Amino acid sequence: SQQGEEDPQALSIQEGENATMNCSYKTSINNLQWYRQNSGRGLVHLILIRSNEREKHSGRLRVTLDTSKKSSSLLITASRAADTASYFCATDGNTDKLIFGTGTRLQVFP
Amino acid sequence: DAMVIQNPRYQVTQFGKPVTLSCSQTLNHNVMYWYQQKSSQAPKLLFHYYDKDFNNEADTPDNFQSRRPNTSFCFLDIRSPGLGDTAMYLCAVKRGGQETQYFGPGTRLLVL
Repeated sequence: SQQGEEDPQALSIQEGENATMNCSYKTSINNLQWYRQNSGRGLVHLILIRSNEREKHSGRLRVTLDTSKKSSSLLITASRAADTASYFCATDGNTDKLIFGTGTRLQVFP
Repeated sequence: DAMVIQNPRYQVTQFGKPVTLSCSQTLNHNVMYWYQQKSSQAPKLLFHYYDKDFNNEADTPDNFQSRRPNTSFCFLDIRSPGLGDTAMYLCAVKRGGQETQYFGPGTRLLVL
């Protein structure tokens, strides 16, 4: 399987704390993306990092990419209860298709 | 304003009874995708259209078929649903040459 893996599978934190989730993938990539999925809903694109980038920021999100290790991390700073969701990394494998990681379920308690 | 619309949102069907799920978009993007997502799992690509060109994933069961009559609409037909086809079905679109996919809210299918 080309599917990537994420860890942790589940993460529970208090509001205000930072949340870090990690993604490992198997193929060469043009870019890596992170998506959020609220329970029972579709996925929402959060941020994209290209293979020649090492770090990217968007609001409270910080993404890093290490292509030599085929890994990425997503940091959500100062988390809020509304950040409760599942987070998936996705790689393009140099194609028009996305291969999603296994996901991290984040629970933020007020 | 909804950009990718899926109907119905919930569908219950009986084992072996054909079902059709629909997806429409207001973005006029030329690439459309169908994913299957089982409980607590990652979305798994079933097939996609690049314009009118249909691309089937190697491990997509023959039971699953798709139609794209025009740019805006795409259908997923499950000819003889089995219990294992109970899942969320997600439609996504993107503009060819760009990276971001835009997802619909999904159709939750229950096969009894």
